[in-house]
Amino acid sequence: AQKVTQTQTSISVVEKTTVTMDCVYETRDSSYFLFWYKQTASGEIVFLIRQDSYKKENATVGHYSLNFQKPKSSIGLIITATQIEDSAVYFCAMREGDNYAQGLTFGLGTRVSVFP
Amino acid sequence: ETAVFQTPNYHVTQVGNEVSFNCKQTLGHDTMYWYKQDSKKLLKIMFSYNNKQLIVNETVPRRFSPQSSDKAHLNLRIKSVEPEDSAVYLCASSRDWGNSYEQYFGPGTRLTVL
Repeated sequence: AQKVTQTQTSISVVEKTTVTMDCVYETRDSSYFLFWYKQTASGEIVFLIRQDSYKKENATVGHYSLNFQKPKSSIGLIITATQIEDSAVYFCAMREGDNYAQGLTFGLGTRVSVFP
Repeated sequence: ETAVFQTPNYHVTQVGNEVSFNCKQTLGHDTMYWYKQDSKKLLKIMFSYNNKQLIVNETVPRRFSPQSSDKAHLNLRIKSVEPEDSAVYLCASSRDWGNSYEQYFGPGTRLTVL
């Protein structure tokens, strides 16, 4: 069975610095997709970035980038030049295989607080 | 505006009542989902549905059922609510073609069972 683990419950950073959060996953499938989402204080869940298992290059979108270490089953999220509005709960998620209708398995989330 | 819409935002009810939540997506997606987010913020898939298949998480009690009129709508019915059903219910959608697999979420419906 697939499993996603985020061990950091909360991280505090000063704005304009870089924050890194960890995520490890378990899967028996050779093909899988990894996602990071952000849940704001209002409860809105926003898709941030995705990594496909077959791609060696780390994905980058805006000031979000990933550190994909496939041998360690690890997919870290890096946010550079943080802003106050980056304060949120960040969820790592995974979907196995090519079944488009399969739901995502989520980690428990990491709360990031960005201070001036 | 294209997005995932949910109604109501909040619902308070008593044990044993039936409730129904609505979800509509205007993204042109083919697959829709319902997730439950509990008080510890854990998000768990309940159902996923497209015109080919309905996938039900085996841990979902039978009092929950999805209802779809077309690919843009997926409602959630709870036949006889229990206190443990208090949670936020989130609807999501995704494409099932191309290489865009990410899911887009609605704002959620917060259910409180007294």
